[in-house]
Amino acid sequence: EAQVTQNPRYLITVTGKKLTVTCSQNMNHEYMSWYRQDPGLGLRQIYYSMNVEVTDKGDVPEGYKVSRKEKRNFPLILESPSPNQTSLYFCASSMTVNTEAFFGQGTRLTVV
Amino acid sequence: QKEVEQNSGPLSVPEGAIASLNCTYSDRGSQSFFWYRQYSGKSPELIMSIYSNGDKEDGRFTAQLNKASQYVSLLIRDSQPSDSATYLCAALSGGYQKVTFGTGTKLQVIP
Repeated sequence: EAQVTQNPRYLITVTGKKLTVTCSQNMNHEYMSWYRQDPGLGLRQIYYSMNVEVTDKGDVPEGYKVSRKEKRNFPLILESPSPNQTSLYFCASSMTVNTEAFFGQGTRLTVV
Repeated sequence: QKEVEQNSGPLSVPEGAIASLNCTYSDRGSQSFFWYRQYSGKSPELIMSIYSNGDKEDGRFTAQLNKASQYVSLLIRDSQPSDSATYLCAALSGGYQKVTFGTGTKLQVIP
């Protein structure tokens, strides 16, 4: 089954404790991206990747890191999480930036 | 000014009516536009994409694009309660690298 898989689905952590949210797709898509979704602010892009080893900042990259060492994986790293990073996070992939994006199930992160 | 703007709603329509969802964008270089539907607690899923001026129809859904007015709309005919969701408009930047989403319009279809 074609899918984008994120883990974990739910995470509660403490300020400053490094964490990684994993994202994997099995559709051989080139374009992958991370979004956060907050009430009233909609989906905002954090980082995107056009292909392996090619990543760039989206609209709200501060406090986040990504890597794209393999085509299928695009992990999101929070080196020192803060409460303002409490949000719902979505990973998405598409064949190219100009085609349908498939979203993962979402990761609800709470930083206390 | 947000790059992609939508009325947050809620937009309430009776069952069987036409729902009209609107979106404006600021980047004149944007060439591609997408409508996603997101049910509460779920991930967004694509309904329509539109790349050229004019109308594009798919079943009960029609997307309309007017690049001169920087305006995109989605019409849902014969609205059903199952259409109740938040509809997200998205635009591909003129640099062809980023997709920007609007904040979404919540649609409620009243039985």
